[in-house]
Amino acid sequence: GAGVSQSPSNKVTEKGKDVELRCDPISGHTALYWYRQSLGQGLEFLIYFQGNSAPDKSGLPSDRFSAERTGGSVSTLTIQRTQQEDSAVYLCASSLLAGGITDTQYFGPGTRLTVL
Amino acid sequence: AQRVTQPEKLLSVFKGAPVELKCNYSYSGSPELFWYVQYSRQRLQLLLRHISRESIKGFTADLNKGETSFHLKKPFAQEEDSAMYYCALAFNYGGSQGNLIFGKGTKLSVKP
Repeated sequence: GAGVSQSPSNKVTEKGKDVELRCDPISGHTALYWYRQSLGQGLEFLIYFQGNSAPDKSGLPSDRFSAERTGGSVSTLTIQRTQQEDSAVYLCASSLLAGGITDTQYFGPGTRLTVL
Repeated sequence: AQRVTQPEKLLSVFKGAPVELKCNYSYSGSPELFWYVQYSRQRLQLLLRHISRESIKGFTADLNKGETSFHLKKPFAQEEDSAMYYCALAFNYGGSQGNLIFGKGTKLSVKP
């Protein structure tokens, strides 16, 4: 079946512009996660959605970052007034989260964001 | 604070040699630990998780709570094992899994 998909695969923007990154999770997966992968920092957690619960935003680096998940499916990560340090690969993952503690997270291919 | 440490950025071995990728964690609760792998131009994927006690592609990892370690081992490395390996700890929300906390990764290079 289809895995997690993300769009666009690459995004180049100018400093100060807003960007939107999209994630389509695996159908039926109730949990959705955003991570950021950058040189020297590894993989950092950004935000986590689970069902209809309020998202865990504890990993968002600043108030320029926000995310929403519509209808419990597709998610959009928005970065306002982008800065050069926002350049990274943004990864989305989803998991079934059927109550098990060790549900596997399935990752998308990522969106490579470059801020000039 | 929860933390995952992978002390080696790069590990280079010859084909057929044993390999051990180190991972140490800091977590006050009962840890759920994973190894993820990212091959060149591929997405991040789960390799194995401690609770399953499985061997995948010849790799094994044992959770040592006394040493707070979860090292990944393979007795005979293959060239196709060359990849980036991430150790991860599942953050636990009162019994339900939350986000993963990743180490910074170790790049394994297996030379012919």
